[in-house]
Amino acid sequence: QKEVEQNSGPLSVPEGAIASLNCTYSDRGSQSFFWYRQYSGKSPELIMSIYSNGDKEDGRFTAQLNKASQYVSLLIRDSQPSDSATYLCAVNNYQLIWGAGTKLIIKP
Amino acid sequence: EAGVVQSPRYKIIEKKQPVAFWCNPISGHNTLYWYRQNLGQGPELLIRYENEEAVDDSQLPKDRFSAERLKGVDSTLKIQPAELGDSAVYLCASSPRGDTEAFFGQGTRLTVV
Repeated sequence: QKEVEQNSGPLSVPEGAIASLNCTYSDRGSQSFFWYRQYSGKSPELIMSIYSNGDKEDGRFTAQLNKASQYVSLLIRDSQPSDSATYLCAVNNYQLIWGAGTKLIIKP
Repeated sequence: EAGVVQSPRYKIIEKKQPVAFWCNPISGHNTLYWYRQNLGQGPELLIRYENEEAVDDSQLPKDRFSAERLKGVDSTLKIQPAELGDSAVYLCASSPRGDTEAFFGQGTRLTVV
């Protein structure tokens, strides 16, 4: 059974701090990794894709991938109240497997 | 560029009635997904198409759910008859191919009463 695990949270972070979200996966053959943001009542929205080990930065967001340890993380710098949402991790190896998401709350 | 378009946005039906959802993917996207999402959970795959072929329908409850993607473009998901437990958000997503990121439509919120 291929699995993607995330802490459900909620994760509470002060405004301006760094939010760190983690995801582990079971399928060692996974090739592509995605982070989605989902606001309440809305559809998931892609924010980051990462395909190789290391860091990938896009604005305030950094995705980190470690295939040997089978985890992928998302860092959000200078967290804003508008970042409050559920963050979904998805892992792809010929099929897209989803985590249940981590609820992030940014406190002003 | 237009995104994934789904209709209707909301649907309320009585149990045992049929219901259908429609999805038009992003132009040129070969892969189309239908997901079901319950509150507090991640998307649950119902069916995945590569062009007009259903390549993964292992999670589709085939006794009451059916789907089609004629000509490899838009797609329809049907439930007949609906049950109370089918109440959820039904999401359609598309991607250029199966190993790339997926883009979601706005979803259809189904309530079965």
